[in-house]
Amino acid sequence: EAQVTQNPRYLITVTGKKLTVTCSQNMNHEYMSWYRQDPGLGLRQIYYSMNVEVTDKGDVPEGYKVSRKEKRNFPLILESPSPNQTSLYFCASTFLSGVPYEQYFGPGTRLTVT
Amino acid sequence: GESVGLHLPTLSVQEGDNSIINCAYSNSASDYFIWYKQESGKGPQFIIDIRSNMDKRQGQRVTVLLNKTVKHLSLQIAATQPGDSAVYFCAENKGRGSTLGRLYFGRGTQLTVWP
Repeated sequence: EAQVTQNPRYLITVTGKKLTVTCSQNMNHEYMSWYRQDPGLGLRQIYYSMNVEVTDKGDVPEGYKVSRKEKRNFPLILESPSPNQTSLYFCASTFLSGVPYEQYFGPGTRLTVT
Repeated sequence: GESVGLHLPTLSVQEGDNSIINCAYSNSASDYFIWYKQESGKGPQFIIDIRSNMDKRQGQRVTVLLNKTVKHLSLQIAATQPGDSAVYFCAENKGRGSTLGRLYFGRGTQLTVWP
């Protein structure tokens, strides 16, 4: 089954404790992206990647890191989480071979930083 | 930075009526636009897209209109059904050349369909 998976789905952590949210897709998509969703603010892009070893900042990259060592995986790293990073996070992926760029989204990861 | 906004945060329609969801974007250089649907507890789902060299695109029961003069995008849903109840987001792309790049999303419109 074609899908984007994220782990963990729920995470409660404390300020400053490094964490990684994994994202994996099995569709051989070139493009992968991370978003955060906050009430009243919609989706905001954190980072995106157009292929292996190519990553770019989105709208809100501060406090986050990503890597794209393999085509299928695009982990999101919070080196020192803070309460303002409490949010719902989505990973998504799509082909870049032409329109439509039909991004497939993962189920989301709800992160709480205390 | 640039923002993509929506005129109405909520929209209630009767089943069978047509729905129109609006979106204003601010960057005239954006070259590609997408509408997403997000049902409660799920990730967004692609509905339809349109390139900046078009002004209208139709899908199954959905039509997207693009007015570049006033930087306005709309999603029309024909014969709205209860299953259409969701939050709808528009997104604009600032790509590298003609490909997908950085995406900006609107805050969303909650569509509620009542019988």
